[in-house]
Amino acid sequence: AQTVTQSQPEMSVQEAETVTLSCTYDTSESNYYLFWYKQPPSRQMILVIRQEAYKQQNATENRFSVNFQKAAKSFSLKISDSQLGDTAMYFCAFMKQPPNDYKLSFGAGTTVTVRA
Amino acid sequence: DAGVIQSPRHEVTEMGQEVTLRCKPISGHNSLFWYRQTMMRGLELLIYFNNNVPIDDSGMPEDRFSAKMPNASFSTLKIQPSEPRDSAVYFCASSSSNRGSDTQYFGPGTRLTVL
Repeated sequence: AQTVTQSQPEMSVQEAETVTLSCTYDTSESNYYLFWYKQPPSRQMILVIRQEAYKQQNATENRFSVNFQKAAKSFSLKISDSQLGDTAMYFCAFMKQPPNDYKLSFGAGTTVTVRA
Repeated sequence: DAGVIQSPRHEVTEMGQEVTLRCKPISGHNSLFWYRQTMMRGLELLIYFNNNVPIDDSGMPEDRFSAKMPNASFSTLKIQPSEPRDSAVYFCASSSSNRGSDTQYFGPGTRLTVL
């Protein structure tokens, strides 16, 4: 089984500032996918960003970017120019490369609060 | 395109009653997943289907839980009889392995409360 660890239960950031969430994972696979999902108070699970392990370039989606360190098995999420709507729980998730497996293994989550 | 649709959004029932949760995946997606989210255990995969066939149900807690996918556009998760410890948020998610994108897209969830 894959283990995903998010070591920061809660983080707080001032509006317009930057916050970085950490995620580490344990796997013996060489090809896999990593994801960050956001769960606002509405509890909807929303995909934030996705990274394929074979790609060296870090994924970016607008104000969200990742720092993927394959050797260190680290996958951090940076939220730039934080907005009030970014307040949510953020989950890091791992998936082996299909067709070997379609299962998502989730971390425990990090609650991010953006202060006005 | 419409996202994953789940119903009901909220369900309150009494212990011992049967509960049926419903899911309509994104059109064209051929994989469907049922997850359960609780404070104690986080997000857990209960079962996943590929092309309407159950591939892995190892996460189903016990025989009281059953899931079906009679066609590509509909799935149900049934709990009979329900117990208070089944109270949780149940998510359905779908993905497509045919388009080279295996990202799972989640529905809004069903909050189940068993009294």
